[in-house]
Amino acid sequence: NAGVMQNPRHLVRRRGQEARLRCSPMKGHSHVYWYRQLPEEGLKFMVYLQKENIIDESGMPKERFSAEFPKEGPSILRIQQVVRGDSAAYFCASSPELAGPGEQFFGPGTRLTVL
Amino acid sequence: RKEVEQDPGPFNVPEGATVAFNCTYSNSASQSFFWYRQDCRKEPKLLMSVYSSGNEDGRFTAQLNRASQYISLLIRDSKLSDSATYLCVVNIGIYNQGGKLIFGQGTELSVKP
Repeated sequence: NAGVMQNPRHLVRRRGQEARLRCSPMKGHSHVYWYRQLPEEGLKFMVYLQKENIIDESGMPKERFSAEFPKEGPSILRIQQVVRGDSAAYFCASSPELAGPGEQFFGPGTRLTVL
Repeated sequence: RKEVEQDPGPFNVPEGATVAFNCTYSNSASQSFFWYRQDCRKEPKLLMSVYSSGNEDGRFTAQLNRASQYISLLIRDSKLSDSATYLCVVNIGIYNQGGKLIFGQGTELSVKP
């Protein structure tokens, strides 16, 4: 049973470009979460999605960031017009429909560097 | 006040030592509690869930005190491989229905030979 998959693992963008980060949850998992870890900081929640629905986006920056989890295919975190402050590790996590006490399983992350 | 607070450390201990990590959380509606470990800023990995009755997994013991909103992790007979950052994590979602995880800053542990 493959774990949570994320790609690319490393992404370099110049200021003003777009970044697209992809996440495939574990088989059988229908809940996807995105977290961001800035350099020297802890992980911060960004958004929680179920298939075709955004459940909680309270951690998403108001502008330039969007996320989706379509019926078919991976979840996508999209950052438009990237700035240097977007450089971070972006982790995706998933959990099953009927989870235990709420544990989530993390992918290896995408490390975004904005030049 | 941070939602989840931990002593950032670092904790430098010799092999075989017992080390304790403490954590407090501010949201009394928190539903579930975990310790994760993170190695070299790779992905966090679940170490154990934490229950009010306390739970043990080999050398690791976790405790939860809901009244004082306090969580602890005890590592006995520490190994070199225990060196990592330990993350105190709280889920304020509805039990069994998902929810966001709130992470502490992490406590760095370094176990020396």
